[in-house]
Amino acid sequence: GQQVMQIPQYQHVQEGEDFTTYCNSSTTLSNIQWYKQRPGGHPVFLIQLVKSGEVKKQKRLTFQFGEAKKNSSLHITATQTTDVGTYFCAGARDFGNEKLTFGTGTRLTIIP
Amino acid sequence: NAGVMQNPRHLVRRRGQEARLRCSPMKGHSHVYWYRQLPEEGLKFMVYLQKENIIDESGMPKERFSAEFPKEGPSILRIQQVVRGDSAAYFCASSLATGVAEAFFGQGTRLTVV
Repeated sequence: GQQVMQIPQYQHVQEGEDFTTYCNSSTTLSNIQWYKQRPGGHPVFLIQLVKSGEVKKQKRLTFQFGEAKKNSSLHITATQTTDVGTYFCAGARDFGNEKLTFGTGTRLTIIP
Repeated sequence: NAGVMQNPRHLVRRRGQEARLRCSPMKGHSHVYWYRQLPEEGLKFMVYLQKENIIDESGMPKERFSAEFPKEGPSILRIQQVVRGDSAAYFCASSLATGVAEAFFGQGTRLTVV
């Protein structure tokens, strides 16, 4: 079955440093989504990427979808304490298959 | 427009009892997903339903677990004869359209089996 892996599993950074998490799928994806889950909370949608090579920015967050549509990355510039949480990517194989397969997640902690 | 509503937020059951978890999707959403999350772990897909239909239950254990999404009313995830290993957070998500719509998550039900 489809597998979506993320690395690293954990990341501890000093406040103000940059952070990147990588997402790799075993199969080609029709689209990829990113979610953030705060400690004790529920996943919240951040963004969706559809096109090969697509790059989207949200303030300090930059999202990229690989050319082969099998990998993606999330980069946070100058992390802040509010960035704490677990970041999940989620992919769907095709437009007819609606099941979102979530990645293993990257837990980000910030050292003030 | 209320978000995805899950209840109860916390549920304690003794081993062997039944657990019923409810999920009301966002207004207008006809696609519902259930995910399970163990502490410190990721989200594991369980089942995907549309109104009155189970579309994909490849993540559901073959025994004791069942899910439904009736024409009227919330989606129900039912766990019979719970065991300690069923203790987890169960999240429901709903989406509007086929394929590439974002999923909106409920706040989850934390099930504890004692």
